[in-house]
Amino acid sequence: EPEVTQTPSHQVTQMGQEVILHCVPISNHLYFYWYRQILGQKVEFLVSFYNNEISEKSEIFDDQFSVERPDGSNFTLKIRSTKLEDSAMYFCASSRLGGTQETQYFGPGTRLLVL
Amino acid sequence: ILNVEQSPQSLHVQEGDSTNFTCSFPSSNFYALHWYRWETAKSPEALFVMTLNGDEKKKGRISATLNTKEGYSYLYIKGSQPEDSATYLCARRYSGGGADGLTFGKGTHLIIQP
Repeated sequence: EPEVTQTPSHQVTQMGQEVILHCVPISNHLYFYWYRQILGQKVEFLVSFYNNEISEKSEIFDDQFSVERPDGSNFTLKIRSTKLEDSAMYFCASSRLGGTQETQYFGPGTRLLVL
Repeated sequence: ILNVEQSPQSLHVQEGDSTNFTCSFPSSNFYALHWYRWETAKSPEALFVMTLNGDEKKKGRISATLNTKEGYSYLYIKGSQPEDSATYLCARRYSGGGADGLTFGKGTHLIIQP
């Protein structure tokens, strides 16, 4: 069964460094998402992406974040200058279409630790 | 952003017993409610997407109901098995078009005791 994959599974970085999180969505899906979960808190929406541009973003998704679909299969989240509070589990998700009844399929997450 | 709340936060159930838990959400501007099952170190697994008031959906021993007028959904598990141990997340969609993000509750952590 097709699945969303994410790499790496864990990443440790120093405060101020740039990190890029990688996702391979399900191949025939057109909509892509990033979410994060800070330990002990709710899963939070960051950004959605369709047709090679950002569709929606939350207040969390400020100028230090960016997303890109560099080729036909990968979808990346870049954090330019990491802060301690960026430590979280980052989930990528994809959906085939964008309608109300569409399921968003999640990857296993990348756990980011900023020291 | 309007809150999605889940209760209880955690639940211990004996193997073989049935159980249920709740997702509450503001009823205005409702479009869809999603349920996910999430085991540690795995991807959250989509269970249901529910859109209509009175919807009931079933997948094996798991079923869910939806009341959009009063703003709640129940998830039921019949005859709990150890493999049902997981965190169950609900999430609400706040608009009907495009690539909208989901607003999640904090989850109900279910532990099935043999």
